Amino acid sequence: QSALIHPASVSGSPGQSITISCTGTSNDIGGYNFVSWYQQHPAKAPKLIIYDVSRRPSGVSDRFSGSKSDNTASLTISGLQSEDEAVYYCSSYSSTGTLVFGEGTKLTVL
Amino acid sequence: DVQLMQSGAEVKKPGESLRISCEGSGDTFTRFWIAWVRQVPGKGLEYMGIIYPADSETKYSPSFQGQVTISADRSLRTAFLHWSSLKASDTATYYCARAILGGTDAFDIWGQGTMISVFS
Repeated sequence: QSALIHPASVSGSPGQSITISCTGTSNDIGGYNFVSWYQQHPAKAPKLIIYDVSRRPSGVSDRFSGSKSDNTASLTISGLQSEDEAVYYCSSYSSTGTLVFGEGTKLTVL
Repeated sequence: DVQLMQSGAEVKKPGESLRISCEGSGDTFTRFWIAWVRQVPGKGLEYMGIIYPADSETKYSPSFQGQVTISADRSLRTAFLHWSSLKASDTATYYCARAILGGTDAFDIWGQGTMISVFS
């Protein structure tokens, strides 16, 4: 069961927008609309920021948005802030009946 | 606020057994699925499996099937993760997480994590 593919790192300046991609296959991202994104700060538990491709849980800033095209999901963060610096993981339901996570992307706010 | 409280850090030797726990509040253990996620130091998240405490239905990731046992006691509002024989490669932080209502693929409430160190 292969992990989903993320870029290792992305960076942006405060106020800018960045997009993190997450590539899978037709057996996971491409086959289902069950993509989620998590934010993890150092030594903290992950936090759900997007689920079902583009839905935001209550309390999550609307600066976070999600989308999907074919086998690739994307997380966009607009109006970048220093507190957005973290590692971001995508996950997707898989045809194996379980869940697969991405390898994580470290976001640096310059 | 709904919380998941996990048991404390453990230091064990290879071959030893271990059970860690995750206690929830509210109706977490009657209406929601509870998952376990592994994070090896410096690495990403790995989905291990999930349990529905209301009826104990359990699903395992193929990577962890046979390696661990997931269980729950609804009356105690607690889920468990059990190893019968630990390996050094089990060294990691383990999180329990509550799935969103009606789903099993997104987790909106997380425990604080339990760090397990296995070495001889």
